[in-house]
Amino acid sequence: GQQLNQSPQSMFIQEGEDVSMNCTSSSIFNTWLWYKQDPGEGPVLLIALYKAGELTSNGRLTAQFGITRKDSFLNISASIPSDVGIYFCAGLDSQGAQKLVFGQGTRLTINP
Amino acid sequence: DAGITQSPRHKVTETGTPVTLRCHQTENHRYMYWYRQDPGHGLRLIHYSYGVKDTDKGEVSDGYSVSRSKTEDFLLTLESATSSQTSVYFCAISESWLAVPHEQYFGPGTRLTVT
Repeated sequence: GQQLNQSPQSMFIQEGEDVSMNCTSSSIFNTWLWYKQDPGEGPVLLIALYKAGELTSNGRLTAQFGITRKDSFLNISASIPSDVGIYFCAGLDSQGAQKLVFGQGTRLTINP
Repeated sequence: DAGITQSPRHKVTETGTPVTLRCHQTENHRYMYWYRQDPGHGLRLIHYSYGVKDTDKGEVSDGYSVSRSKTEDFLLTLESATSSQTSVYFCAISESWLAVPHEQYFGPGTRLTVT
């Protein structure tokens, strides 16, 4: 089946640093989504990307849809304590019922 | 926040007993999904629905069944719970129009423990 490889699996950074994480796939996706999950809660959508090459920002977050449609990147600038959590990438199969395939997640820890 | 609720939020049950989890939405979205989340496996699709009475299997459907008799409700049933079904279960909803896929929004989750 389809698989997404997300890296790094975990990150330990200082407050104020920038963060980069990425997701790669052996399959092509027509939509890439980035979610954040806080402990005990469901994933919350951060950014949606619909077009190859697209670069989209949401505040301090910037995500890109790779030109090959097999990868995506998420950057967080000037990290703050509330950025702590697990970040998931997800590729959306646009055929049929739009099934999401998730990466394994990147756990972000911030040292104040 | 998308109007999605899940019940119960926590449940402990014994091996062999039936369990039903409920997902309720107020968004009138066409698509509904059930996922399970386990350490080392991320989120995996169990079943999904693309309309009332229209459902299909996902990646890890063995041991689970679903029903959708109304747009707003999607039920996940474990016919005979096993310890391997101890997990956190998430419901998600999405809509699409003009053949363009749209994002999925997740509920708060149900933590199920099978002893």
